[in-house]
Amino acid sequence: NAGVTQTPKFQVLKTGQSMTLQCAQDMNHNSMYWYRQDPGMGLRLIYYSASEGTTDKGEVPNGYNVSRLNKREFSLRLESAAPSQTSVYFCASSGDRGVYGYTFGSGTRLTVV
Amino acid sequence: KNEVEQSPQNLTAQEGEFITINCSYSVGISALHWLQQHPGGGIVSLFMLSSGKKKHGRLIATINIQEKHSSLHITASHPRDSAVYICAVRSSLGTDKLIFGTGTRLQVFP
Repeated sequence: NAGVTQTPKFQVLKTGQSMTLQCAQDMNHNSMYWYRQDPGMGLRLIYYSASEGTTDKGEVPNGYNVSRLNKREFSLRLESAAPSQTSVYFCASSGDRGVYGYTFGSGTRLTVV
Repeated sequence: KNEVEQSPQNLTAQEGEFITINCSYSVGISALHWLQQHPGGGIVSLFMLSSGKKKHGRLIATINIQEKHSSLHITASHPRDSAVYICAVRSSLGTDKLIFGTGTRLQVFP
């Protein structure tokens, strides 16, 4: 089925470890996003990419880096994980800058101990 | 104050009841989205609205641009409707980023 695919679904890291969350979409969307979801808070934007080769910081970028490898793929990297980065991460994509809506991945539940 | 406020935060209902979830926002918008998130699951887009009303099955979404308010209604609620319902707005400032409410957790009991 067409959509947004995120991997992994679950991950446990030790403080200081690094990891990359992968996201791919097959809808030919230009824009891709990484959000984090924490209890009692709305989803918050970490980074977004309006097109291949461009990335911009969102609301909570500290501690993260991103790569827009090509039009399909947008990865999120934690260089040195901290307990404050324990969260559920969602990747999303949209075409025409969201005019036709957004499609979300199934989420990655990350725990940093 | 959050730019997008939802009420109530939590809602319980008996199967068959009519349910209303409200969303108010304080920014100019180009569109408003209603999203559904099942426990442990991903996020699914239900509606995108810029004016008026939309209906899909037992779900109805309305928006009043002048009052900066939207409602999501569920008719003849069913236990499978149990989920978190999230309101999100796309700012009219030309960005394609969404601003999210904190969600309404709905539980429908048989």
